[in-house]
Amino acid sequence: QVQLVQSGAEVKKPGASVKVSCKASGYTFTSYHMHWVRQAPGQGLEWMGVINPSGGSTTYTQKFQGRVTMTRDTSTSTVYMELSSLRDEDTAVYYCARKRGTTPIDYWGQGTLVTVSS
Amino acid sequence: DIQMTQSPSTLSASVGDRVTIPCRASQSISSWLAWYQQKPGKAPKLLIYKASSLESGVPSRFSGSGSGTEFTLTISSLQPDDFATYYCQQYNGYPYTFGQGTKLEIK
Repeated sequence: QVQLVQSGAEVKKPGASVKVSCKASGYTFTSYHMHWVRQAPGQGLEWMGVINPSGGSTTYTQKFQGRVTMTRDTSTSTVYMELSSLRDEDTAVYYCARKRGTTPIDYWGQGTLVTVSS
Repeated sequence: DIQMTQSPSTLSASVGDRVTIPCRASQSISSWLAWYQQKPGKAPKLLIYKASSLESGVPSRFSGSGSGTEFTLTISSLQPDDFATYYCQQYNGYPYTFGQGTKLEIK
């Protein structure tokens, strides 16, 4: 069965960086793009960007350009999302989620809580 | 960027009610719209894709309609398990965007 298993919760200080992992199983890793979506406490869903695990190409929303980097390791079927220069308002649950072609995002990871606090 | 608008942000209803949740796009997205259900502490769950296609395993009381800029999620007869927050999302092009969500509460 399809599984997206994310790394555990993180606590970071303002200005630091965080790297969240998402390990995929149960399907062909390179056949699905991996998206990252975050959700601040009590708030809605915010799309951050996407990586194509096949070639590694990425698209980021303008809000995070320059602060976010998405990478992948095809040998372990894992994608990573690194967010730098963390601010208090980056406190959120970060989700990875897969999508292919014209189909919608269908499977989501369990989420990783990142807390930014001095 | 395409803005997705959901209103109201909170909807009160009773078990057995028929409920409609609207979603509007700031420009045409054809039928590239999905609906997700989210419960507290959980990841979103796909209900509807391509505006009106029911995801496998989702109860048939859920349905979607619309195209272009106006969309609706309908729950034909609310069940206790349906009280949750619902999000629409456009996937017509990057950046993908979500509506603000509609929280369905028990009246």
